[in-house]
Amino acid sequence: DVQLVQSGGGLVQPGGSLRLSCVASEFTVNNYWMDWVRQAPGKGLEWVANIKEDGSETYYVASVRGRFTISRDNAKRSLYLQMNSLTAGDTAMYYCAGGRDYEKFWGPGTLVTVSS
Amino acid sequence: IVMTQSPDSLAVSLGERATINCKSSQSVLHSSNNRNYLAWYQQKPGQPPKLLIYWASTRESGVPERFSGSGSGTDFTLTVSSLQAEDVAVYYCQQYISTRTFGQGTKLEIK
Repeated sequence: DVQLVQSGGGLVQPGGSLRLSCVASEFTVNNYWMDWVRQAPGKGLEWVANIKEDGSETYYVASVRGRFTISRDNAKRSLYLQMNSLTAGDTAMYYCAGGRDYEKFWGPGTLVTVSS
Repeated sequence: IVMTQSPDSLAVSLGERATINCKSSQSVLHSSNNRNYLAWYQQKPGQPPKLLIYWASTRESGVPERFSGSGSGTDFTLTVSSLQAEDVAVYYCQQYISTRTFGQGTKLEIK
C-alpha cells in the first residue's frame, strides 16, 4: 500500500503563507489523482483541492480558490499545497489523500494554525 | 453537490445493527457506466479517515464483512450488521462524481 508522509504545517499569522508537502512511498502514486482534505478542530471533513495524475487539471473548493494552489512533482513522488492570505477559518488538520476515483490512501495529517 | 447524513449521532448496543443514511442533492449515478460515485469512510479519534466502501457497495480490501453499503442515485445506506466495540467512530459519506463533497458525519457510539 502507498504510504504518505506530510510536512509543512505550523503556526502562521493571519495574512501569511504556508506550503504543505506530501511525499509518497511509491511511484504508483503518479497514476492517481491526489487531494487535499482538511478538518477544522472538532468539525467534519472538507475537501479542499485535487490534481490530475499529470498535473494538467486542478480543482478547488470555492472558499480557497485564488488563495491556495495545488501542485505535484511526479519525479519526486510529491504533492504540494501553497496557501496564501491565510485566515483563522483555514485553521485545520490538513490531509493529503489519493486514489483513482475515491480516496484510497491518506496521510497522517499536518496541523495548520492561523493566529496572531 | 450537497451530502446530508442522518442521524448526526447514533447509539447502538453491542451486537446490534447500526444504520447510517446519506442523501445527495443530485444523483451520483453515472449513466456511462451505471456506477454510483459514493464512498464511505470511518474516522477514529486522532486518525485520518479510512476507506470502507466505494462505488456505493464495494467493500475495501480488509474491511470486515459486517460493513455493507447499499443504495443508488441519491439515497444510500451504510450498515454495520453486528456492532463491535472497535466500530465506535465517525462515519462520512462522500460523492466523487463532481469534485468531492463529504457529508457532515455520523458519530456511532455504544449504548
